[in-house]
Amino acid sequence: GQNIDQPTEMTATEGAIVQINCTYQTSGFNGLFWYQQHAGEAPTFLSYNVLDGLEEKGRFSSFLSRSKGYSYLLLKELQMKDSASYLCAAMDSNYQLIWGAGTKLIIKP
Amino acid sequence: GAVVSQHPSWVICKSGTSVKIECRSLDFQATTMFWYRQFPKQSLMLMATSNEGSKATYEQGVEKDKFLINHASLTLSTLTVTSAHPEDSSFYICSAISGGENSPLHFGNGTRLTVT
Repeated sequence: GQNIDQPTEMTATEGAIVQINCTYQTSGFNGLFWYQQHAGEAPTFLSYNVLDGLEEKGRFSSFLSRSKGYSYLLLKELQMKDSASYLCAAMDSNYQLIWGAGTKLIIKP
Repeated sequence: GAVVSQHPSWVICKSGTSVKIECRSLDFQATTMFWYRQFPKQSLMLMATSNEGSKATYEQGVEKDKFLINHASLTLSTLTVTSAHPEDSSFYICSAISGGENSPLHFGNGTRLTVT
């Protein structure tokens, strides 16, 4: 079957670095997405990886290993506004997105 | 970047009435739009995939006669919740694909529906 696994909740300190892991199993693969969602709001797009390796965008980076079915989102220099849920989603061979349940990230001062 | 506009952002309606939610792609043509539902503290649940000019594809367990989806143009999809009940109260979010097959999904801001 198709499945996405990511931790339910993580806690980190302001100014620190946190890595949110995601493993996936899909029928075919057409890319891995990361979205940020604040409570009561719609998700916003963070990153898309389809090739192996690390993609860096400012304080956020995303990594993909297709052979391992693994991705991570790396957040540096954490700010209080980064407190949110982070959703991992893999696109299968039919271009349908399989969503993880999201990781709630709590930032402490 | 690509913008998806969803309207209304919130609505309160009485049980038994119908509510229409609009989803527009403002600066791109969206051949495919998706409708999601999200309960508090839960992840997105895909309700249906809407392709321009054809019938929507509903996910298992979603009543197509209750949640009417129309995708009449490349920039507009609508979701109508018919004969709404309190259990339909939820956060409804639309999204659209811009560009080619590997382009990211862009979300509307969502509609919070409360049925009294």
